[in-house]
Amino acid sequence: GENVEQHPSTLSVQEGDSAVIKCTYSDSASNYFPWYKQELGKGPQLIIDIRSNVGEKKDQRIAVTLNKTAKHFSLHITETQPEDSAVYFCAASKAGGSYIPTFGRGTSLIVHP
Amino acid sequence: NAGVTQTPKFQVLKTGQSMTLQCAQDMNHEYMSWYRQDPGMGLRLIHYSVGAGITDQGEVPNGYNVSRSTTEDFPLRLLSAAPSQTSVYFCASSFLTSGTRNTEAFFGQGTRLTVV
Repeated sequence: GENVEQHPSTLSVQEGDSAVIKCTYSDSASNYFPWYKQELGKGPQLIIDIRSNVGEKKDQRIAVTLNKTAKHFSLHITETQPEDSAVYFCAASKAGGSYIPTFGRGTSLIVHP
Repeated sequence: NAGVTQTPKFQVLKTGQSMTLQCAQDMNHEYMSWYRQDPGMGLRLIHYSVGAGITDQGEVPNGYNVSRSTTEDFPLRLLSAAPSQTSVYFCASSFLTSGTRNTEAFFGQGTRLTVV
């Protein structure tokens, strides 16, 4: 089955710095890669996603890149703010049949004011 | 639009007790699932369902039962609670596609369960 590795497990940055979280996946058939943000005491919520026919996607301060050849994808947050502090999860899945996403173990991002 | 609703938010059980965690969604999603979240372990899949009357085991199914009698509801049952089941439980739902597109998972707010 699919295996998703996520690094780092903890990331500490100063406000205004950039943050990068990286994930690798094992199943070359995976074609959908969402990123979720989990704030304290809440459930994860989608912040951005990318499909295998796209190499990069941006939404304001957040961007995701995908390298299908290397089977890795990354989340980039620019100009970090204290409210970006949360746990971030990457996931991978493939279309067709049962939709069962495989999640990474999460990255705890801490943005210091 | 309520999305995914989980109840209760908090629960304390004694070892050996049974209980049901409720999950309901109002988005007509075919796919529903239960995860447990433990420190450093991420989200681990317990059970999932691709439609009413269909359930299957995930990564960590032991000690848990599920059923899916309607599209909207997907309860998780702990038959005999153990301290190892102390965790935060999340229910999630999404559309199930057969084409080239997948859709996002919508998560509930979670149930924090403590077994003493």
